[in-house]
Amino acid sequence: AQSVTQPDIHITVSEGASLELRCNYSYGATPYLFWYVQSPGQGLQLLLKYFSGDTLVQGIKGFEAEFKRSQSSFNLRKPSVHWSDAAEYFCAVGGVGAGNMLTFGGGTRLMVKP
Amino acid sequence: DSGVTQTPKHLITATGQRVTLRCSPRSGDLSVYWYQQSLDQGLQFLIHYYNGEERAKGNILERFSAQQFPDLHSELNLSSLELGDSALYFCASSAGTSGTGAKYFGPGTRLTVT
Repeated sequence: AQSVTQPDIHITVSEGASLELRCNYSYGATPYLFWYVQSPGQGLQLLLKYFSGDTLVQGIKGFEAEFKRSQSSFNLRKPSVHWSDAAEYFCAVGGVGAGNMLTFGGGTRLMVKP
Repeated sequence: DSGVTQTPKHLITATGQRVTLRCSPRSGDLSVYWYQQSLDQGLQFLIHYYNGEERAKGNILERFSAQQFPDLHSELNLSSLELGDSALYFCASSAGTSGTGAKYFGPGTRLTVT
């Protein structure tokens, strides 16, 4: 069965600092990996996705993520955080044979200090 | 704005009652997915429909059912409601059934069972 672990429930960073959110997945085949962001009271917005090719993927809002098969990880990064990035971030895994369903991690809540 | 609409935005009802949540996918999308987000279970996949046919089931209770109509909108029916059914219910849509396709989420329906 597929699973996703986001080890950090809360993270606080200062505005302008760099950010890395961790995501580890378990999946028996080639995974399709996604990062979503959820602002308070909002739905989930897709930041980026990976399913093949270059292991460093660029997304919206200046985010990027790197797929590392050997570590079963897909960490999300941003070089300089803005106050508007405060939200909850979800990593998700899907793939062939997964019935096209996404399995989400528990989420990481990001707080940004001025 | 993802292009996915959900109604109503909020729903408050009593235990034992039945409610219907409605979702309209993005224009052109044939797949509709339902997810439940609760504090204790996180984001859980419920069910997937493609062009009117059920394609996959996740952790959906027998008291819950869904359907997708010829105009591609979908409804999630929740019956014999319990306090534990209080959650945010999201609908997502995608163009096809490929696992690589981005899934666009609606703003959600917040259900409160009292």
